[in-house]
Amino acid sequence: DQQVKQNSPSLSVQEGRISILNCDYTNSMFDYFLWYKKYPAEGPTFLISISSIKDKNEDGRFTVFLNKSAKHLSLHIVPSQPGDSAVYFCAATYNNDMRFGAGTRLTVKP
Amino acid sequence: EAQVTQNPRYLITVTGKKLTVTCSQNMNHEYMSWYRQDPGLGLRQIYYSMNVEVTDKGDVPEGYKVSRKEKRNFPLILESPSPNQTSLYFCASSTGGSYNEQFFGPGTRLTVL
Repeated sequence: DQQVKQNSPSLSVQEGRISILNCDYTNSMFDYFLWYKKYPAEGPTFLISISSIKDKNEDGRFTVFLNKSAKHLSLHIVPSQPGDSAVYFCAATYNNDMRFGAGTRLTVKP
Repeated sequence: EAQVTQNPRYLITVTGKKLTVTCSQNMNHEYMSWYRQDPGLGLRQIYYSMNVEVTDKGDVPEGYKVSRKEKRNFPLILESPSPNQTSLYFCASSTGGSYNEQFFGPGTRLTVL
């Protein structure tokens, strides 16, 4: 069963605008959440993470929000840049058991 | 340069022919993990290892074996590959387990005919 879901396979935004990528999870045991970015023909790279005891974490243009009651997290990218075009994976973990979503392909248009 | 390397990068094989995909990291990381990526399913964890001689099953371990005899190496073994193991495989490593940033290798594209 897919315990981490990214329901939007793709998202297209204009350069300079905000990108919002969403992720839902079902397992309340997850205690840490991460976002990874993946370019074609490369391995994923870490972007940002958040502990379940927090509701927001910010790193430069990237902010992750966690709503535990809704079992929902989102990644905000402001402002979006063409170089942000990639596939974004949401991930959740507890006790080193790691689950990823199916990914959202973000396209940032100049 | 800090990195995770995988070999081979591409492999086409036939059903039942045993194969090994190697993974090596030069960052002295305790934690290493294998994932497979399939369309519409994202990345799924196969096995992980917290340290030498310590391995655990992930989400989809069936049909795979791993070993961790040295800290830097974590090979993935398919004893009798089947077509449903055709996938893109990634090895990753980190300090402190899955809670920390994992560094991924470039991937191995496996096709089982």
